[in-house]
Parts: sequence; structure tokens; C-alpha cells
Amino acid sequence: GAGVSQSPSNKVTEKGKDVELRCDPISGHTALYWYRQSLGQGLEFLIYFQGNSAPDKSGLPSDRFSAERTGGSVSTLTIQRTQQEDSAVYLCASSLGRGPGELFFGEGSRLTVL
Amino acid sequence: AQSVSQHNHHVILSEAASLELGCNYSYGGTVNLFWYVQYPGQHLQLLLKYFSGDPLVKGIKGFEAEFIKSKFSFNLRKPSVQWSDTAEYFCAVNAPMNRDDKIIFGKGTRLHILP
Repeated sequence: GAGVSQSPSNKVTEKGKDVELRCDPISGHTALYWYRQSLGQGLEFLIYFQGNSAPDKSGLPSDRFSAERTGGSVSTLTIQRTQQEDSAVYLCASSLGRGPGELFFGEGSRLTVL
Repeated sequence: AQSVSQHNHHVILSEAASLELGCNYSYGGTVNLFWYVQYPGQHLQLLLKYFSGDPLVKGIKGFEAEFIKSKFSFNLRKPSVQWSDTAEYFCAVNAPMNRDDKIIFGKGTRLHILP
């Protein structure tokens, strides 16, 4: 596609349920990031995939969060047993590779946990 | 690991005023520095970036930023703001020579321009 595509754009779920958020990066981009954006917290780094390297998971806030990237392309962020504090906008971004390349962001997935 | 600090969380200015948004990073080695902007209802986009060469970087819409290595700073400036500059601005850093080269963002500065 022309840009980074994320789905769903909005997700409302009940506390305790699992959710999956999907990111389809720009074709050919080897780097893929997930960030969480919430009021007052800016862009919180979650996880970083770069090519075939092991992902940098250092930003995942708990073991309820996990992400995978299949075939070096599409990525799925999974949140298990959601909590109200998980409510935020989850942003995906991709870039061509290492170095000072521009990050291209998707529109985000707004998650609301009731 | 690198980190980014943005001093101003919320700035309100009148049109034609001059703007300077502070950004400091913590990392002792070579860095790439970025400013991203998020206009209301839009996704984040790159405003400007520094990776080498002239420490004064010019970006889109009349914005510029100066990398001052001795101060670990990369402040964003614009001599005369417009109402359309109302947005949230994020400073970001990565350390390209480091195995830990992920891009880290600051908490952002909300800029509100009064018409």
C-alpha cells in the first residue's frame, strides 16, 4: 500500500479480554516500531523489529504484551487480559532501515478498555 | 540507553510570535535527532532531522533546529508562527552506532497558536 496501515482504527473491549492490533508497513521497509500514545505520556516505545534481528522488546510494559512480525512484513501486537490502564492509541511506524531514515506512521489503533 | 526530555509540555503563543521548543537528550555518542509534528486529527510526520554536517537544520514550513553537542540539545525554532502551526511536537533520538539504535521520543509539546 501507499502508507502504513493499521487495524482496527477503534477497539472497545471489556477488562480481561484479549485484543490483537495489526500493522501493515510500507512494502520494503525493514524496520517496524510499535509505540503507545496517551495523554501526558507522549510516545512510549514498546517494541522494535529490524530485519531478521531479534526484536527489541525492552519497552513492553508487562508480560501481557507481545508482538510478532511475520515474514518481515505484517506485525501483530497482542494484549492479553486487558486492563483499563491499557487504554491508549497504539501507533505503528516503519522505515527503510537503520540510520536516520524517516519513520512513517500509521493512523493508529485507539483502544478503550471498559 | 538514550532518552529525550522536552521541557515545555504546553505552549501558547500569538500569531507572529517567535517560537523555541526545548529538547535535550542523554547519550554520549553519535546521535541522529528528529522533530516530528502531529497536526490535529492527522498522523505524525517528520518536520526535520539531523544526522551529520551543518548543525543548523532547516525543515518544512519554516522550522529549523540547532544541534548543540556540548549542551546535548536540539531545540526547534520558528521566527514567526502561524495559526496553522497549532499541533503537538515531538523530539526524538537514536544512536546509530549503538546496537541499541531504536528511536526514542520525548513526551511532546502541545503548541497552541492564538489567531
